[in-house]
Amino acid sequence: AQSVTQLDSQVPVFEEAPVELRCNYSSSVSVYLFWYVQYPNQGLQLLLKYLSGSTLVKGINGFEAEFNKSQTSFHLRKPSVHISDTAEYFCAVGETGANNLFFGTGTRLTVIP
Amino acid sequence: DGGITQSPKYLFRKEGQNVTLSCEQNLNHDAMYWYRQDPGQGLRLIYYSQIVNDFQKGDIAEGYSVSREKKESFPLTVTSAQKNPTAFYLCASRLTAGSSYEQYFGPGTRLTVT
Repeated sequence: AQSVTQLDSQVPVFEEAPVELRCNYSSSVSVYLFWYVQYPNQGLQLLLKYLSGSTLVKGINGFEAEFNKSQTSFHLRKPSVHISDTAEYFCAVGETGANNLFFGTGTRLTVIP
Repeated sequence: DGGITQSPKYLFRKEGQNVTLSCEQNLNHDAMYWYRQDPGQGLRLIYYSQIVNDFQKGDIAEGYSVSREKKESFPLTVTSAQKNPTAFYLCASRLTAGSSYEQYFGPGTRLTVT
């Protein structure tokens, strides 16, 4: 069965420090992967996506993620965070040909001034 | 401006009442989805619809109902049978043609039942 694990429910980090938010998935078929960001009381906004090709994908707001098939991971990184990055981040996985996405439980990133 | 609208933003109801949440999109997307979000549990799929007049149950469909009479609209009814309806509800849509796969989300409706 497909599942998505976000290992850290909360990640505090100081402003201008780097951050990595972890995402691991399980699936027996080809997958496509997403990171979404959610600000308080708002919907989800797409940060970046991996469908195929280069395993390093760049998204909005300076974020990037790397698809690692052997480790079934898709970790999100940013070299220097800003206060405005404080939000909840969701990893999502879909299988080729399927209709739905499976979401992780989210990681709350808090940037400390 | 294309997008997904959900109304209202906040909704309050008394226990035992049915309530309908609105979701409209002008993106010309085929598929539409309803999710429920609770703290620490991520997004859980309630219902989805790939085409007009057809929809499928998701993981937590009990106590909910939907309709898809128009491509643009996918309202969700939270019935009195839903044991714990207080939550944040998100609607999403997707273009099924091509290889994009990403879902676009509305701003959400926060439902409080007392």
